[in-house]
Amino acid sequence: AQSVTQPDIHITVSEGASLELRCNYSYGATPYLFWYVQSPGQGLQLLLKYFSGDTLVQGIKGFEAEFKRSQSSFNLRKPSVHWSDAAEYFCAVGAPFGGYALNFGKGTSLLVTP
Amino acid sequence: EAGVTQFPSHSVIEKGQTVTLRCDPISGHDNLYWYRRVMGKEIKFLLHFVKESKQDESGMPNNRFLAERTGGTYSTLKVQPAELEDSGVYFCASSQVGGLVTEAFFGQGTRLTVV
Repeated sequence: AQSVTQPDIHITVSEGASLELRCNYSYGATPYLFWYVQSPGQGLQLLLKYFSGDTLVQGIKGFEAEFKRSQSSFNLRKPSVHWSDAAEYFCAVGAPFGGYALNFGKGTSLLVTP
Repeated sequence: EAGVTQFPSHSVIEKGQTVTLRCDPISGHDNLYWYRRVMGKEIKFLLHFVKESKQDESGMPNNRFLAERTGGTYSTLKVQPAELEDSGVYFCASSQVGGLVTEAFFGQGTRLTVV
């Protein structure tokens, strides 16, 4: 069965500092991996996705994520955080041909301090 | 172009009552998904429509939940009778045919509180 673990429930970073949000998945084959963000009052927005190919994926808003098969990880990174990045971030895994029946992690809430 | 729209944004009902949530997908999107997030838990898949047909309803918690998508346009999710544990945020998403290769767009969600 697929599952996703986001070990950090809350993370606080200073504006301008780098960010890494952790995501570990459990899946028997090569998974389809996603990162979503939910800002206050907004719906879930897709930041980036990994299906195959280059393991370093670039997304919107300056985010990137790296797929590491050996570690079953898909960590999200940003070199310099902006105050507007404060939001909740969700990692999700899907199966090939499974449509969008995704399995989400519990989410990581990001607080950005001045 | 309008995004995925969900109504209402908030709903507070008493245990035992009925509530109907509505989702209007992006025009032309044949895939429609319902998800739910109970407080402190993961966002959980409920079901998937392709046009008006239920493709996968493996995530529906029990028979108090009924989802419909008449005509393959908007969808409703009815909870009858509502229980306290049904409280949470219900998300709807839609995507074009093509499965994972196309992005799914999520609505803002409906926050349901059962008291």
